[in-house]
Amino acid sequence: KQEVTQIPAALSVPEGENLVLNCSFTDSAIYNLQWFRQDPGKGLTSLLLIQSSQREQTSGRLNASLDKSSGRSTLYIAASQPGDSATYLCAGNTDKLIFGTGTRLQVFP
Amino acid sequence: GAVVSQHPSWVICKSGTSVKIECRSLDFQATTMFWYRQFPKQSLMLMATSNEGSKATYEQGVEKDKFLINHASLTLSTLTVTSAHPEDSSFYICSAGGGTGVNEQYFGPGTRLTVT
Repeated sequence: KQEVTQIPAALSVPEGENLVLNCSFTDSAIYNLQWFRQDPGKGLTSLLLIQSSQREQTSGRLNASLDKSSGRSTLYIAASQPGDSATYLCAGNTDKLIFGTGTRLQVFP
Repeated sequence: GAVVSQHPSWVICKSGTSVKIECRSLDFQATTMFWYRQFPKQSLMLMATSNEGSKATYEQGVEKDKFLINHASLTLSTLTVTSAHPEDSSFYICSAGGGTGVNEQYFGPGTRLTVT
């Protein structure tokens, strides 16, 4: 059974810092791994999707990496801004998405 | 492309009544739709998977007679919470697969259900 965990559970940093959010999964037979952002009381915004054959994906200040063999993915946020404050979720896809526990990020001015 | 809508965005109902939530894929045909539930400060938990024209597959612990799922067309799935109770109050999110992304799901904006 796939289990997905995220570390840290919460993070509070001053703006400008570079951040690393961690995601680990137990079943390496994933089709892909996806990172989402969720603002309070809102739905999900897809940030990056990494196919199982890929090692990383980049979008603007975001970079996500995937290491299937070790069951890990990281989301790197460069030059964080207060607008990045949200909960970040990773999800492993093995015919269904299993979500991690999330990292609540607060970036203060 | 790959837009998914949900209706209503929020609903308040009395205990014992039933509530229907719609999930629509607006610009693609969704062969598979998924329903998730999210309690406050928790992550999303998959409730069920539905394929167009067939019965939904429910996750362990989810009561199929309480959460009725219908996926009658390639663009519409509905979730009906029957005889709702306060403990059913949650954020319900649907997703749809079958767009251009391989093995990718596209998420709706969610429906906030409050049962009084």
